[in-house]
Amino acid sequence: NAGVMQNPRHLVRRRGQEARLRCSPMKGHSHVYWYRQLPEEGLKFMVYLQKENIIDESGMPKERFSAEFPKEGPSILRIQQVVRGDSAAYFCASSRLAADTQYFGPGTRLTVL
Amino acid sequence: QQQVKQSPQSLIVQKGGIPIINCAYENTAFDYFPWYQQFPGKGPALLIAIRPDVSEKKEGRFTISFNKSAKQFSLHIMDSQPGDSATYFCAASRSGSARQLTFGSGTQLTVLP
Repeated sequence: NAGVMQNPRHLVRRRGQEARLRCSPMKGHSHVYWYRQLPEEGLKFMVYLQKENIIDESGMPKERFSAEFPKEGPSILRIQQVVRGDSAAYFCASSRLAADTQYFGPGTRLTVL
Repeated sequence: QQQVKQSPQSLIVQKGGIPIINCAYENTAFDYFPWYQQFPGKGPALLIAIRPDVSEKKEGRFTISFNKSAKQFSLHIMDSQPGDSATYFCAASRSGSARQLTFGSGTQLTVLP
C-alpha cells in the first residue's frame, strides 16, 4: 500500500509566479489535510478537505491560496503570485476517516526567489 | 488557547540515555495527543499517541506520560540509539468532524554513539 505521495518534491518559483502542489492520499483515504512548515518551526494547519468539499480552511491565508480535492485525481494546493514569505515545506496528510490517524507525505519544498 | 508548547528546543544524550521531551497545552477540549518523528527531508511519521483516559502508554522503547490535571504530556525514549536522532513533534487535536492537528515547535534530538 503506497503511502501519501506529493509532487513535486522541490519547487522553485520567482516572485509573482504560481505554485501548484499535488497530493495523492493513501489508497482508501478520502480525507486530506495540508500543513505548512517554516524553517525551524512546527507544522501549521492550513486546510482540510474531503472529496470535492473544503471542510475547514481556517488556517489558510484568505488571499492567493486555494485548495481543491476533486472527485478524480490528487488534491491540489495552489498559491498565486508567490512571495518570498511563501518559502516553506508544505506537507499533505491523509486519513481514512475524519478521526483516524493522519499519515504524512514527504512534503514539497517551495523556494521563492 | 490553541497553542501547544514544547520543550526543550534541542537535546543531546549519549547512547543508552533516556531523553525526555515535554509538551503543555491550554485547550481542555483536546483529547488526542500524538507524537511524530521527522528525519531531515522527510515528512513526519506517527510514533505513538495517547488519549486522556490513560496516564501512560508504551510502544517498544517509546513511552508517553500524560497528566490531565496539569495539561502536560511527555515522550520518553528508553535505551536511545543514534538512529533515534531526529526532530520530534508533539501535537494535539479534539474530537469533531475535523481533526486538525496543533503541533508543538519541535525538539531536535541528537543521540551520540
